[in-house]
Amino acid sequence: GENVEQHPSTLSVQEGDSAVIKCTYSDSASNYFPWYKQELGKRPQLIIDIRSNVGEKKDQRIAVTLNKTAKHFSLHITETQPEDSAVYFCAASNTGNQFYFGTGTSLTVIP
Amino acid sequence: DVKVTQSSRYLVKRTGEKVFLECVQDMDHENMFWYRQDPGLGLRLIYFSYDVKMKEKGDIPEGYSVSREKKERFSLILESASTNQTSMYLCASSSFLDYLNYGYTFGSGTRLTVV
Repeated sequence: GENVEQHPSTLSVQEGDSAVIKCTYSDSASNYFPWYKQELGKRPQLIIDIRSNVGEKKDQRIAVTLNKTAKHFSLHITETQPEDSAVYFCAASNTGNQFYFGTGTSLTVIP
Repeated sequence: DVKVTQSSRYLVKRTGEKVFLECVQDMDHENMFWYRQDPGLGLRLIYFSYDVKMKEKGDIPEGYSVSREKKERFSLILESASTNQTSMYLCASSSFLDYLNYGYTFGSGTRLTVV
């Protein structure tokens, strides 16, 4: 089955700096890569996703890049703000039936 | 606006009790999932279901069972609760045909403490 690895497990940045979280996957058939943000005490929520036919996608201050050859994808947050502090999960899927999640990155934005 | 509802936010149960965690979704999704979330271990899949009365084991099914008698409801059962099952439990659902547009929708989670 698919194996998704996520790094780093914790990340601290100064407010206004950029944050990058990286994930690798093992199954070349995976074609959908969502990112979820989980604020303290809340449910994980989809913040951005990318499909395998796209190399990069951007939504305001967040962007995701995908390198299919290397089987890795990354989340980029620019101009970080304290409200970006949360746990972020990457995931990969090659069917509609199951997503494989990374172990999460706890991001702290220091004011 | 809430589309995946977990019946309890917090539960405290005694060792050996039979525990039921309920999850209901109103999006007509085919797929439903139960995850366990522990610090440093991320989201670990316990069981999932593709259809009514259908279930598949995930990565950590031991000590758990599930029931899906109706499409909208997926129940996680701890047959005899143990302290090592103290955790946050997350339910999620997805559409088999439309996952590329919507991904998973998660419930708010049930924090279970077994004493």
